[in-house]
Amino acid sequence: DTAVSQTPKYLVTQMGNDKSIKCEQNLGHDTMYWYKQDSKKFLKIMFSYNNKELIINETVPNRFSPKSPDKAHLNLHINSLELGDSAVYFCASSLAGAHYNEQFFGPGTRLTVL
Amino acid sequence: DQQVKQNSPSLSVQEGRISILNCDYTNSMFDYFLWYKKYPAEGPTFLISISSIKDKNEDGRFTVFLNKSAKHLSLHIVPSQPGDSAVYFCAASVVRSSNTGKLIFGQGTTLQVKP
Repeated sequence: DTAVSQTPKYLVTQMGNDKSIKCEQNLGHDTMYWYKQDSKKFLKIMFSYNNKELIINETVPNRFSPKSPDKAHLNLHINSLELGDSAVYFCASSLAGAHYNEQFFGPGTRLTVL
Repeated sequence: DQQVKQNSPSLSVQEGRISILNCDYTNSMFDYFLWYKKYPAEGPTFLISISSIKDKNEDGRFTVFLNKSAKHLSLHIVPSQPGDSAVYFCAASVVRSSNTGKLIFGQGTTLQVKP
């Protein structure tokens, strides 16, 4: 009965590879997010989708491409991985409107690029 | 340019005493503030929030205070319990003008409550 789930939990890969992280929520929320937590522990928003429409797109390299097949899923695809992409990536979801800010987070995916 | 800062990376308190976690922000457009709690290997979970029209919000053992003139907020936990040991993140957002759900997080403060 996990609310927001991410797969995989750990991902170790070589520089230059392409990888995807999947996220699913069963809360009935209409908005989903991707955050990156870097080595300095800051959590930074990357993308947000509301009903499959992109509403937040921070300054992120275009090697990162989110894809939302439906409002319960928001996947993150990363092309040509670089060392600096190593981080923990968190998916989150919320309801639009007044509840945008009370976001429910997944457990995170620790990406290590070698 | 970090708009939300938590200057204390860690805090240790005795069980039963008060824990005070602090957060400063620079953007005067922020009008909604939140605290999230994070255990190891888990995602952050929402704890408590406050709108800029208030200066205090209380929920059980947790109280958040907002000082807009100082651009400062704090989270008080009374009494502290060992299960409160976690990383606490302060977050801020702009809601009234255009709410997209964009949260700006601080870097977190690790709280250890000793039995």
